[in-house]
Amino acid sequence: SQQGEEDPQALSIQEGENATMNCSYKTSINNLQWYRQNSGRGLVHLILIRSNEREKHSGRLRVTLDTSKKSSSLLITASRAADTASYFCATDEGGFKTIFGAGTRLFVKA
Amino acid sequence: EAQVTQNPRYLITVTGKKLTVTCSQNMNHEYMSWYRQDPGLGLRQIYYSMNVEVTDKGDVPEGYKVSRKEKRNFPLILESPSPNQTSLYFCASSYFQGSGGYTFGSGTRLTVV
Repeated sequence: SQQGEEDPQALSIQEGENATMNCSYKTSINNLQWYRQNSGRGLVHLILIRSNEREKHSGRLRVTLDTSKKSSSLLITASRAADTASYFCATDEGGFKTIFGAGTRLFVKA
Repeated sequence: EAQVTQNPRYLITVTGKKLTVTCSQNMNHEYMSWYRQDPGLGLRQIYYSMNVEVTDKGDVPEGYKVSRKEKRNFPLILESPSPNQTSLYFCASSYFQGSGGYTFGSGTRLTVV
């Protein structure tokens, strides 16, 4: 079963705009991770936020986590054409599994 | 360079012909995992391994086998492949489960005809 569910499924924006993607999950988690995947290639880890953190920044990325709502958001500021990719959230449950969502496809138009 | 290496990148095979996809990491990671990626379904975990000789099933283990005889290697074995195992496969590793994000291999695109 898929725990993380990203929203929207697809997003098209102009270069320079901000892109926001959301992720919802169902059970208690230890941490939540965001990954990026360029077409057909391996996933690249972007950022991890632990369950006791509310916000984290890395360069143009900002991640928030609301454990009461079981949701997270990934904000990419001042997007570039090179940000075009699929973005996945993943959650680490209490056991030994990491569960990935179906992803958000982001297209940034130059 | 720290990396996860999968081989082969592409494979076309026939139904029932046993195959092995290799995965090797050079980061001394304890945790390794196999995923398959299908359109609209995201990544689904097949098997994972917490350490040498310790493996367990993920969400979709049917039709697959794994072994972890050495820390660096975690091969995925399809004893009798079927067309529904046509997919994009990824191996991933981390120091331990949930330690800070996974390093993924470049993927193996498998077609079973």
